[in-house]
Amino acid sequence: GQQLNQSPQSMFIQEGEDVSMNCTSSSIFNTWLWYKQEPGEGPVLLIALYKAGELTSNGRLTAQFGITRKDSFLNISASIPSDVGIYFCAGHGAGKSTFGDGTTLTVKP
Amino acid sequence: GAVVSQHPSWVICKSGTSVKIECRSLDFQATTMFWYRQFPKQSLMLMATSNEGSKATYEQGVEKDKFLINHASLTLSTLTVTSAHPEDSSFYICSARQLYSNQPQHFGDGTRLSIL
Repeated sequence: GQQLNQSPQSMFIQEGEDVSMNCTSSSIFNTWLWYKQEPGEGPVLLIALYKAGELTSNGRLTAQFGITRKDSFLNISASIPSDVGIYFCAGHGAGKSTFGDGTTLTVKP
Repeated sequence: GAVVSQHPSWVICKSGTSVKIECRSLDFQATTMFWYRQFPKQSLMLMATSNEGSKATYEQGVEKDKFLINHASLTLSTLTVTSAHPEDSSFYICSARQLYSNQPQHFGDGTRLSIL
């Protein structure tokens, strides 16, 4: 089946630093999605990407849909303590979504 | 505001009890809803895909008689954990997708199930 490799698994950074995480796959996806999950809650959609090469921003977050349609990255600029959580990528294709294992982000004030 | 509502958010019950979890899409029609299970510090594990008006499609290894899914309307899907045991304790999350399949899934806030 389709699998996503999400990295890094976890990050510990200082407030104000930039963050970058990515997902890669051997399969092609039609849509790439990035979600954030906080403890005890469901994932919340951050950014949706629909076209290869698409670069989309949402505040301090920027994500890109790779040209090959097999990868995507998410950048967070000038991190703040409330950015902590688990970030999941998801690739959508063939009628179903596949999720990465998540990147746990810890931001030290 | 929330587009998918999941209820209850937390359940504690005795072993052998059956527990029903509801998932509602609040401001859109969802022909497809998904049920996930998540263990601590792990990713989402898809259990089943719920299609309105038809039988759910279960992922390999998920017991359909244990986890009963009903998707009776375009805004409501239910997951019933039958005769729950401590090993069924987990965080269950539903998601819903609008009619057009390229739209992203929106997730509920999850249900933490604790079986004593």
